[in-house]
Amino acid sequence: NAGVTQTPKFQVLKTGQSMTLQCAQDMNHEYMSWYRQDPGMGLRLIHYSVGAGITDQGEVPNGYNVSRSTTEDFPLRLLSAAPSQTSVYFCASSGRWGYTFGSGTRLTVV
Amino acid sequence: GQQVMQIPQYQHVQEGEDFTTYCNSSTTLSNIQWYKQRPGGHPVFLIQLVKSGEVKKQKRLTFQFGEAKKNSSLHITATQTTDVGTYFCAALGVNDYKLSFGAGTTVTVRA
Repeated sequence: NAGVTQTPKFQVLKTGQSMTLQCAQDMNHEYMSWYRQDPGMGLRLIHYSVGAGITDQGEVPNGYNVSRSTTEDFPLRLLSAAPSQTSVYFCASSGRWGYTFGSGTRLTVV
Repeated sequence: GQQVMQIPQYQHVQEGEDFTTYCNSSTTLSNIQWYKQRPGGHPVFLIQLVKSGEVKKQKRLTFQFGEAKKNSSLHITATQTTDVGTYFCAALGVNDYKLSFGAGTTVTVRA
């Protein structure tokens, strides 16, 4: 049982480039979400989904897109990377007992 | 999502001592969850509290939900080096899907 799998683990982008962070879960959870973590600011919600075909914005959605075509996958797209998007990104899915987080993607935008 | 304030931001503890971290909200919460993140790791779910005044224990960790469901605390007794990490509270508001995290309490332990 893999839980929540995120790829890649590390990524360096140039300003203006686009990329997709992948997230997959095998627990059949309906609720999935993306957070970014910056020093001293905890985890801030970017986007979330309550099921396939349904997504909504979180606290800091600007510059990011999501889609949810299947229960298992919830990719996060950076449209045009900016240095302010340098962060650690966590995907999470929610079952009955709290959130299960992936191991994270460390993104640096130069 | 709910705004949750967590204090203190940093906690430096002598091994064997106790400490408490607090989480506060200005609005009533549906439930509150606690997570631990080891350095370089990802948050790991510890516990969920849903009832007013609820107290739950996990070995040396005691979690409490306030009577008004607006605050929570995590108390660790006899701190060990394995307790190093950042402890986050996270809250769901009433009729709210979005889990909001506090800024966390980062714990270091002096042997």
